Amino acid sequence: GENVEQHPSTLSVQEGDSAVIKCTYSDSASNYFPWYKQELGKRPQLIIDIRSNVGEKKDQRIAVTLNKTAKHFSLHITETQPEDSAVYFCAVLAGGTSYGKLTFGQGTILTVHP
Amino acid sequence: NAGVTQTPKFQVLKTGQSMTLQCAQDMNHEYMSWYRQDPGMGLRLIHYSVGAGITDQGEVPNGYNVSRSTTEDFPLRLLSAAPSQTSVYFCASSWGLEASNEQFFGPGTRLTVL
Repeated sequence: GENVEQHPSTLSVQEGDSAVIKCTYSDSASNYFPWYKQELGKRPQLIIDIRSNVGEKKDQRIAVTLNKTAKHFSLHITETQPEDSAVYFCAVLAGGTSYGKLTFGQGTILTVHP
Repeated sequence: NAGVTQTPKFQVLKTGQSMTLQCAQDMNHEYMSWYRQDPGMGLRLIHYSVGAGITDQGEVPNGYNVSRSTTEDFPLRLLSAAPSQTSVYFCASSWGLEASNEQFFGPGTRLTVL
């Protein structure tokens, strides 16, 4: 099955700095790569996603980049704010015979210090 | 729309007891899934369904059963609860399995097995 590795597990930055979280995956047939944000005690919510035919996608202060050859994708948050503090999860939607299964990374605890 | 709803919010069981976690959505989504979330392990897929009458196993299906008799409901049954099933359970739904179909999560059920 799909194997998703997410790094780092914790990330601490000062307000205004950038934050980068990286995920690697194993199945080259995977074709959809969402990122979720989960605040303490809340449900995960989609913040940005990218498809396999796109290399980069931006939405205001967040961006996702995808390198299909190397099988990794990254979340970039610029001008971080205290309200960005949360747990971030990457996920990979399997293709091929495993189609339909969404595998999540282990999560990154992001702390933005004022 | 209520979105994705889950009941109960909290549950304490004794080892060996059985129970059903309820999940319902009012968005006419075809795809529904169950995840469990444990500290440091992200979200792991238990079972999923691509439509009424169709279910399949995810990453950690042992000890759990599901059924999908209607589009709206996707209950998760614990047959004989074990302490290893102590976790937070999330139900999610989406329009389908195509790339970029956002998964909407329910508020979660926190289950403790003593």
